[in-house]
Amino acid sequence: DAEITQSPRHKITETGRQVTLACHQTWNHNNMFWYRQDLGHGLRLIHYSYGVQDTNKGEVSDGYSVSRSNTEDLPLTLESAASSQTSVYFCASSDARGTEAFFGQGTRLTVV
Amino acid sequence: KNQVEQSPQSLIILEGKNCTLQCNYTVSPFSNLRWYKQDTGRGPVSLTIMTFSENTKSNGRYTATLDADTKQSSLHITASQLSDSASYICVVSDSWGKLQFGAGTQVVVTP
Repeated sequence: DAEITQSPRHKITETGRQVTLACHQTWNHNNMFWYRQDLGHGLRLIHYSYGVQDTNKGEVSDGYSVSRSNTEDLPLTLESAASSQTSVYFCASSDARGTEAFFGQGTRLTVV
Repeated sequence: KNQVEQSPQSLIILEGKNCTLQCNYTVSPFSNLRWYKQDTGRGPVSLTIMTFSENTKSNGRYTATLDADTKQSSLHITASQLSDSASYICVVSDSWGKLQFGAGTQVVVTP
């Protein structure tokens, strides 16, 4: 069965470290997204991609980067982790018109 | 400015009662609107999806409506159960498949 998976599920890192969160989907979706979810806030868009070699900034992109070298993967990199980036991160994928959209189970990141 | 606004922010209802959640959006060009249920610590799970031409969609005790003219949607929960306690998120997709999220409505069902 097709799926979307995130790894790791939990991560603790130190301030200033570079961290990469993985997202892998087998739906063959063109669109992939990264969101963060904090207490008291809804899901906020970090970066998104409409296809291979395409990346775009979302509303809270500062301190994050993504790359899209194939259809299946959109890794999210925190260049220099900050305590403000402690959050739960969700990856999602959708088809071209968003009629199919699925989420990963989330990665809980703690920056100490 | 968020293009998807939800209300209320939270609500508490007694088990067995009904409730209605609201979603207003300005996303354009519009492709579809879906309601998600998100349990604590889990990823969102789709309840319903509606395109421009659909004005109602049901999934068990969940019924969603869409008025594309006024850009409003509602999610009605009938005969609530304790397991309905969750965050309900309205998500609107534009024609390129970009997903815009509302902040969610936190529903707490009490015995």
